[in-house]
Amino acid sequence: DGGITQSPKYLFRKEGQNVTLSCEQNLNHDAMYWYRQDPGQGLRLIYYSQIVNDFQKGDIAEGYSVSREKKESFPLTVTSAQKNPTAFYLCASSIVPGHPGDYGYTFGSGTRLTVV
Amino acid sequence: DQQVKQNSPSLSVQEGRISILNCDYTNSMFDYFLWYKKYPAEGPTFLISISSIKDKNEDGRFTVFLNKSAKHLSLHIVPSQPGDSAVYFCAASDSGAGSYQLTFGKGTKLSVIP
Repeated sequence: DGGITQSPKYLFRKEGQNVTLSCEQNLNHDAMYWYRQDPGQGLRLIYYSQIVNDFQKGDIAEGYSVSREKKESFPLTVTSAQKNPTAFYLCASSIVPGHPGDYGYTFGSGTRLTVV
Repeated sequence: DQQVKQNSPSLSVQEGRISILNCDYTNSMFDYFLWYKKYPAEGPTFLISISSIKDKNEDGRFTVFLNKSAKHLSLHIVPSQPGDSAVYFCAASDSGAGSYQLTFGKGTKLSVIP
């Protein structure tokens, strides 16, 4: 079955450490996205990538980094510069639409990161 | 500045009755709108969408209405079922911006009471 896989589901990090969240998709989607969800805050865009080897900052990119070396993979690194990293992180993908009907994102099941 | 607003954080509805979830937007360039449903500790799943060239789109028990002049859309669920209990996110996009990003509201938690 096609879909998006995020791993791990739960992650604990010590303060001052970098940590990388994995996101893999086998949907042949061109675009991939990372969102962060905090209680009462909805989904906020961290980074997105529309093609391999290219990515753009979203609304809250500070303290995060990404890479897009393969179409299927879009890992997110939470660096020690991120001041409040404890959150639920969601990865999504979509085709790059040729018309508005193709806009739906497919989301992964998320990774809950906790800083201890 | 929030461009997509869901002003009701929560809503409780009796099973079998209609659920109406509301969403307002401020960016007049938005021309495509979607609703997502999310259960705890899971990713959101796509529910229904509407283009700005329409004012209504229906899919089974779910109907989305769009009022462009008021910059308002609503999701109707009829009849509501206990399995509909989840957080519903409204999302919007500007197809002319070229980035195909979705801007999400903060969500409304729907509780359907058996």
